[in-house]
Amino acid sequence: GQQLNQSPQSMFIQEGEDVSMNCTSSSIFNTWLWYKQEPGEGPVLLIALYKAGELTSNGRLTAQFGITRKDSFLNISASIPSDVGIYFCAEYSGGGADGLTFGKGTHLIIQP
Amino acid sequence: ETGVTQSPTHLIKTRGQQVTLRCSSQSGHNTVSWYQQALGQGPQFIFQYYREEENGRGNFPPRFSGLQFPNYSSELNVNALELDDSALYLCASSTRQSYGYTFGSGTRLTVV
Repeated sequence: GQQLNQSPQSMFIQEGEDVSMNCTSSSIFNTWLWYKQEPGEGPVLLIALYKAGELTSNGRLTAQFGITRKDSFLNISASIPSDVGIYFCAEYSGGGADGLTFGKGTHLIIQP
Repeated sequence: ETGVTQSPTHLIKTRGQQVTLRCSSQSGHNTVSWYQQALGQGPQFIFQYYREEENGRGNFPPRFSGLQFPNYSSELNVNALELDDSALYLCASSTRQSYGYTFGSGTRLTVV
């Protein structure tokens, strides 16, 4: 089955810094999704990408769907304490009933 | 509108026992899917229900089964529990045509 490789596994940054994380796959995807999960909660959708090359922003978050359709990145600008959490990339291969495939996540920790 | 609600929030079971987890989907959503999230991992797709029938399944054995009811709520049943079944079980609802999965906060199952 498909595998999504996320990096880095964890990030320790200072408040105010910019953050960049990415996700790669051995397969071509139709949709890339980025989720954030906080302790005790389920994942929350941040950004959805539908076309190769697409660049989409949501406030301080920006994500891009790679041209090869095998990768995506998520950037967070000027990080704040509430950005702490685990960020997952996920793909929806559009088969109708295959569910989402998630990466293992990037754990973001912000030091004040 | 109400989001996805899951019950119970925490559960402890003994190896070999059976467990039923419950999920109420978000208003207007007719598709429900279940995910297993082991500690330190991303969620893994178990199965999906649409119109009260299973229409997609991940790599999980038959002792994982489910139901969807006419009001779109759902149950996940796990028989013959094993220690490795200890995980956070997440329910997600969506419309048939949407990538907008809304996740519940999950049920933390511990098997001892």
